[in-house]
Amino acid sequence: EPEVTQTPSHQVTQMGQEVILRCVPISNHLYFYWYRQILGQKVEFLVSFYNNEISEKSEIFDDQFSVERPDGSNFTLKIRSTKLEDSAMYFCASNEGEQYFGPGTRLTVT
Amino acid sequence: GEDVEQSLFLSVREGDSSVINCTYTDSSSTYLYWYKQEPGAGLQLLTYIFSNMDMKQDQRLTVLLNKKDKHLSLRIADTQTGDSAIYFCAEEGGATNKLIFGTGTLLAVQP
Repeated sequence: EPEVTQTPSHQVTQMGQEVILRCVPISNHLYFYWYRQILGQKVEFLVSFYNNEISEKSEIFDDQFSVERPDGSNFTLKIRSTKLEDSAMYFCASNEGEQYFGPGTRLTVT
Repeated sequence: GEDVEQSLFLSVREGDSSVINCTYTDSSSTYLYWYKQEPGAGLQLLTYIFSNMDMKQDQRLTVLLNKKDKHLSLRIADTQTGDSAIYFCAEEGGATNKLIFGTGTLLAVQP
C-alpha cells in the first residue's frame, strides 16, 4: 500500500539553527500539506501546496517557514531560525480524495 | 470560525462498544475523518465519510453523521486493549481541503 514517508524521524537542533524536514508524498497525489502537533495538543494546519506553490497557509506559518518541492518526489519544510516553541511533531500529508499522513518528524529545539 | 470539539476522555471495558463523539462547524466539508494516534506515533487514517452519507460501516467501525446537528460519531464494536489510543476527528475546510482537527479523545480500554 502506498504511504507518505518522512525523514528524519527525530531531529534535535539548537535555537537559531535552520532545519529542513523532508517528506515523500504518495506518488500520484497532487495536494501536499504540513501540520504540526505540539506535545499534548491537537494537530494544527500549517500550509497547503498545489501545483508548485503555496495555496493556503495558517498564521503559524510566518516568514521563518518555507516549503519547497525541489524535485518530482520530495516535499520539504524549512524553518529558518528555530525557536524553542517550534518543538513539536511535524506531519506531512498528501491528498487525492482522502488525506494520508506520514509518520511525523519529532523536532526538539534546545 | 472553524472549531471541532470532542470529549477528552472515554474509558470502556474490553468487549464493550465505544462511542466517540465530535461536533464540527463547517457545513460545507466534503469529507469527515477519524484518525487514531498511539503514543509517540503518527496519525493512522481509520475511516472517513462523505458528507452526503449518514452512516458508514467498516468491520468493527461505524461512523454516523448528523449533518443537521453537525455531529459525527465513531462506534468501535467489541473494543480491544489494542484500541487504546487518542482518536481525532477532522473536517475538511477551506479551498485547499486542509484538515481541521478536534482536540482528540483518549480512549482507555480496561481489561
